Amino acid sequence: GQQVMQIPQYQHVQEGEDFTTYCNSSTTLSNIQWYKQRPGGHPVFLIQLVKSGEVKKQKRLTFQFGEAKKNSSLHITATQTTDVGTYFCAGKDGQNFVFGPGTRLSVLP
Amino acid sequence: DAGVTQSPTHLIKTRGQQVTLRCSPISGHKSVSWYQQVLGQGPQFIFQYYEKEERGRGNFPDRFSARQFPNYSSELNVNALLLGDSALYLCASSLAVDYGYTFGSGTRLTVV
Repeated sequence: GQQVMQIPQYQHVQEGEDFTTYCNSSTTLSNIQWYKQRPGGHPVFLIQLVKSGEVKKQKRLTFQFGEAKKNSSLHITATQTTDVGTYFCAGKDGQNFVFGPGTRLSVLP
Repeated sequence: DAGVTQSPTHLIKTRGQQVTLRCSPISGHKSVSWYQQVLGQGPQFIFQYYEKEERGRGNFPDRFSARQFPNYSSELNVNALLLGDSALYLCASSLAVDYGYTFGSGTRLTVV
């Protein structure tokens, strides 16, 4: 079945440093979504990418969908302590929606 | 507007029992999905419903079942509970199948 992997598993950064998490699927995806989950909270939808090579920005966050629609990345510029949490990618293959294991981001003030 | 509401928030059950979890989507949202999240892992897809029809099913045993009602609310049923079913069960709703999902706060199920 479809597998979605994310690297790194954990990332510790100093406030102000940049952060990137990568998402890779074993199959071609029809779309990919990104979610953020704060400790003790529930996932919160960030964005959806649909087109091959698509790039979208939300303030300090940049999302990219690979040309082959099998990988994606989330880049945060100049991290802040409010960016702390686990970032999940979720890809749709057919009718099933598969979440990656997430990248847990810690930001040291 | 109210978000996605789930009930109960916490539940303790004994092995072999049955449980029903409930979810009310955001008003106007016609798609509801259910996920199981074990601590430290990503949500695992269980079911997706749209317009009261099942549109997707994850790799879960037949002990797991769900349905969506005419008002788009949904129930997740789990029979013959196992210790391994202990997890946070998340419900998420969206306008349609390929839109971003809004998650509820979840039901924390503990099986003892």
